[in-house]
Amino acid sequence: GEDVEQSLFLSVREGDSSVINCTYTDSSSTYLYWYKQEPGAGLQLLTYIFSNMDMKQDQRLTVLLNKKDKHLSLRIADTQTGDSAIYFCAEILETGRRALTFGSGTRLQVQP
Amino acid sequence: DAGVIQSPRHEVTEMGQEVTLRCKPISGHNSLFWYRQTMMRGLELLIYFNNNVPIDDSGMPEDRFSAKMPNASFSTLKIQPSEPRDSAVYFCASSLSGIGNTIYFGEGSWLTVV
Repeated sequence: GEDVEQSLFLSVREGDSSVINCTYTDSSSTYLYWYKQEPGAGLQLLTYIFSNMDMKQDQRLTVLLNKKDKHLSLRIADTQTGDSAIYFCAEILETGRRALTFGSGTRLQVQP
Repeated sequence: DAGVIQSPRHEVTEMGQEVTLRCKPISGHNSLFWYRQTMMRGLELLIYFNNNVPIDDSGMPEDRFSAKMPNASFSTLKIQPSEPRDSAVYFCASSLSGIGNTIYFGEGSWLTVV
């Protein structure tokens, strides 16, 4: 079945890199996404990666996918206080329902 | 361009009352999703529509919940009667159909049932 897991909390200092991790169980995951949620707001798509890719870079964001271990990570370079938010990993499966399944979210706290 | 528009943004209602949440998807999108977010259960898919037809409603908690999509530009999620455990943020999202298309979320409807 579908199961996406994330650690709950990460604290970093401003200027450092942040790495948020996610594991998933279903090998038929086709697209894997990272969404950001700021307090009181909706979900903002940050980036996504196809399951046939290993890495994707978009400005300060780097997504790494290890298909063998079913592990996805989001690296934020030069983390800023404005990056403080909850980050959700989500997947869509190749088969079955065409809707996102989300992890529990990782709260990123950036200390000045 | 306007994003996904939800109303109301905030609602406080008494237990037993009917609650109707509304959503206008992005123009041209033909898939629409309703999610619920709570501290205990995180983000859960309630139901999704494709071309106005409900495809998967397995996440709808119980008969008190119903969702409709009478046309391509409007959907409602109704709770009748509401209970305190329904307190949550309800998100509507839309996309073009097809597995690789981005799903865009509204700002959410924050529901409190007292």
